[in-house]
Amino acid sequence: EAQVTQNPRYLITVTGKKLTVTCSQNMNHEYMSWYRQDPGLGLRQIYYSMNVEVTDKGDVPEGYKVSRKEKRNFPLILESPSPNQTSLYFCASSLLAGYQETQYFGPGTRLLVL
Amino acid sequence: GQSLEQPSEVTAVEGAIVQINCTYQTSGFYGLSWYQQHDGGAPTFLSYNGLDGLEETGRFSSFLSRSDSYGYLLLQELQMKDSASYFCAAPRGDGQNFVFGPGTRLSVLP
Repeated sequence: EAQVTQNPRYLITVTGKKLTVTCSQNMNHEYMSWYRQDPGLGLRQIYYSMNVEVTDKGDVPEGYKVSRKEKRNFPLILESPSPNQTSLYFCASSLLAGYQETQYFGPGTRLLVL
Repeated sequence: GQSLEQPSEVTAVEGAIVQINCTYQTSGFYGLSWYQQHDGGAPTFLSYNGLDGLEETGRFSSFLSRSDSYGYLLLQELQMKDSASYFCAAPRGDGQNFVFGPGTRLSVLP
């Protein structure tokens, strides 16, 4: 089944404890992206990747890191999480980068930083 | 910069027609997409308008007017399962970077 998977789905952590949220897609998509979703703000793009080893900042990259060493994986790293990073996170992928491309979203990761 | 505006909530009854508007301000415009998100779920793609006019997909249609910086999603023959949040989204640049609207929560009443 074609899909985007994220792990973990739920995570409670404490301020300053490094964490990684994994994202994997099995559709051979070139473009991958991370979003955070907060009430009333919609989805805001954190980072995106056009292809392996090619990443760039979205609108809210502060406090996050990403890497794209393999085409299928695009982990999101919070080196020192803070409470303002408590949010619902979505990974997405599309076949190519482009305005007409459909983005396929993972199931989401709900993060609580205490 | 780029921003999209949508109404926060819309309510309608089963069988009715509802229109969800999206206005945008952008320094460059490449088209408008619509996504649906049910509570607890992930966003799923509904439609894309790259050119002015109406795109129809079953009960859902989407419209774009570049001259008015405006688009809408039209849902016909509303069903209870259409209760969800709907987001418009637009790419910046050559489509690498996306901005989403704040979302419109649609409640369909029996």
